[in-house]
Amino acid sequence: NAGVMQNPRHLVRRRGQEARLRCSPMKGHSHVYWYRQLPEEGLKFMVYLQKENIIDESGMPKERFSAEFPKEGPSILRIQQVVRGDSAAYFCASSTADTDTQYFGPGTRLTVL
Amino acid sequence: AQTVTQSQPEMSVQEAETVTLSCTYDTSESDYYLFWYKQPPSRQMILVIRQEAYKQQNATENRFSVNFQKAAKSFSLKISDSQLGDAAMYFCANRDDKIIFGKGTRLHILP
Repeated sequence: NAGVMQNPRHLVRRRGQEARLRCSPMKGHSHVYWYRQLPEEGLKFMVYLQKENIIDESGMPKERFSAEFPKEGPSILRIQQVVRGDSAAYFCASSTADTDTQYFGPGTRLTVL
Repeated sequence: AQTVTQSQPEMSVQEAETVTLSCTYDTSESDYYLFWYKQPPSRQMILVIRQEAYKQQNATENRFSVNFQKAAKSFSLKISDSQLGDAAMYFCANRDDKIIFGKGTRLHILP
């Protein structure tokens, strides 16, 4: 039973480029969450999605960040025109509809040069 | 506002001893969930234990147990018989409509 998959595990981008992070939830999970972790900090909620729907994006920066969870395929977190402050670990978690327990992927470490 | 506070940035415990990590939280909800997650050097977030607020009985998972004091909004984690593999960052989290994490406690295990 594969867990939550994230790729890439490490991503290096230059300022101004786009970063695209992928998350495949656990089998049978229809809810996906994205979090950002800065060094020496806890995880900060960004966005909560179900298939083809954004349920809560209250933690997403207003500009440059977007997320989607299409009917087919992984969830994507997209960061346009990256800046050095976007360097962080981005974690995806998934859950079923009837549980409050989220299971986390291994994270993507984004480094912006 | 929903908040989670971990007042101990770092702690150390001798191998085989018991250690308690503190967590307090604030929420306006009456029905919510509390979690402890472990983040070892691999950075993978691993669920350690989960507590439903409407349950008075403290959750237990093998060597891990919690002391849940709902009125005091306190949710501490006790690790018994500490092992070297327990060394990690431990995050307390509260979920009502979204999960809010504390800043973490780094636990060192002394051989």
